[in-house]
Amino acid sequence: EVQLVESGGGLVQPGGSLRLSCAASGFTVSSNYMNWVRQAPGKGLEWVSVIYSGGSTYYADSVKGRFTISRDNSKNTLYVQMNSLRAEDTAVYFCARGGGDGFKFDCWGQGTLVTVSS
Amino acid sequence: DIQMTQSPSSLSASVGDRVTITCQASQDISNHLNWYQLRPGKAPKLLIYDASKKETGVPSRFSGSGSGTDFTFTIRSLQPEDIATYYCQQYDNIPLYTFGQGTKLEIK
Repeated sequence: EVQLVESGGGLVQPGGSLRLSCAASGFTVSSNYMNWVRQAPGKGLEWVSVIYSGGSTYYADSVKGRFTISRDNSKNTLYVQMNSLRAEDTAVYFCARGGGDGFKFDCWGQGTLVTVSS
Repeated sequence: DIQMTQSPSSLSASVGDRVTITCQASQDISNHLNWYQLRPGKAPKLLIYDASKKETGVPSRFSGSGSGTDFTFTIRSLQPEDIATYYCQQYDNIPLYTFGQGTKLEIK
């Protein structure tokens, strides 16, 4: 069964750091486009970052320079390192697989909540 | 950046009703549009891709149409389990994917 499970969320102070993980099963992370998408409280979905199968990475302007997406092929796990966190980064963070040619997010995790507050 | 305008933002309908949600792109995106369903506490689910193609396992009551800038998502006969928030997403301007603002669907 294809599955994604996020972990690592929690409460962090403004300016702090956090690393989220997304463990995959049923498919190979490194062979797919893998994304992070977030949903702030009461808000809609916002695409955050993608890592392509070839290793290229891209970010939304709102997180560029502060977030780093990566993967560990041996663990079949996707990560996002989040630094210089701000209150507006408070959200549920989902990982999502870019299926087919990468254009449709065909498998999602249930999300992990990140709260940035003092 | 491509902006996606989704409407309505919320919708109340009865079981068995036909429900329609629209999504308008700020520029021509061909058929590069997906639709997702978000239920509280559950993983988001892809329903429609390439504007009109149904993902495997999606019930036949769900459908999508449109191209260019105007798109429509329809539930032919609303069921109680369809209560969720629905989002459109463009992938024309990869990798800068953009979602619509969402439509929260409730049962009347």
